[in-house]
Amino acid sequence: AQKVTQTQTSISVMEKTTVTMDCVYETQDSSYFLFWYKQTASGEIVFLIRQDSYKKENATVGHYSLNFQKPKSSIGLIITATQIEDSAVYFCAMREVDYNVGDNSKLIWGLGTSLVVNP
Amino acid sequence: GPKVLQIPSHQIIDMGQMVTLNCDPVSNHLYFYWYKQILGQQMEFLVNFYNGKVMEKSKLFKDQFSVERPDGSYFTLKIQPTALEDSAVYFCASSTDWGGGQDTQYFGPGTRLLVL
Repeated sequence: AQKVTQTQTSISVMEKTTVTMDCVYETQDSSYFLFWYKQTASGEIVFLIRQDSYKKENATVGHYSLNFQKPKSSIGLIITATQIEDSAVYFCAMREVDYNVGDNSKLIWGLGTSLVVNP
Repeated sequence: GPKVLQIPSHQIIDMGQMVTLNCDPVSNHLYFYWYKQILGQQMEFLVNFYNGKVMEKSKLFKDQFSVERPDGSYFTLKIQPTALEDSAVYFCASSTDWGGGQDTQYFGPGTRLLVL
């Protein structure tokens, strides 16, 4: 069964520090895709970064990077030099390969981790 | 990033009435989605739409739900009749069909639906 688990409900950090958010997933597929989104206070959902399972190198975009540990079915999000505006709820999501739908199948979501960045 | 628009941002209706949620997807995107988020619960997939057809749907996509995108206008989610448990935030998303990493889903700001 497909499942995405984020065990950290909330994290509070000081500005300019580094934070890591955990995510583990369950899938029967050998090929799958992992995404991190954030939801701002206004409710907007913003795509941050993705990791395709067949890629060994950890993805990096700006001050976001991923710690992909495939044997552990884990995809951690690392935010370096955090800023106040990084305060949001961060969601991990997974997409499997659906041969009926192709590359555009549904996302399976975690419950999210609330990040508060303090000045 | 690419912008998806949703209209209205909020909607309050009486149980049993019909409601239509509108989504203006990213202009060159061809796959469209609806997700449902209840406060404190997981975001859940409802339906995926491509080339005028529902490609996949979840068990949450009840018979009272329908989607369409007539003539390239808004991608709509219609609920008729509404029930109390339909109260939630509904997010529209869209993606290209190019594959090869181009299939990231981009989300609108959501429509907050309250059924009384």
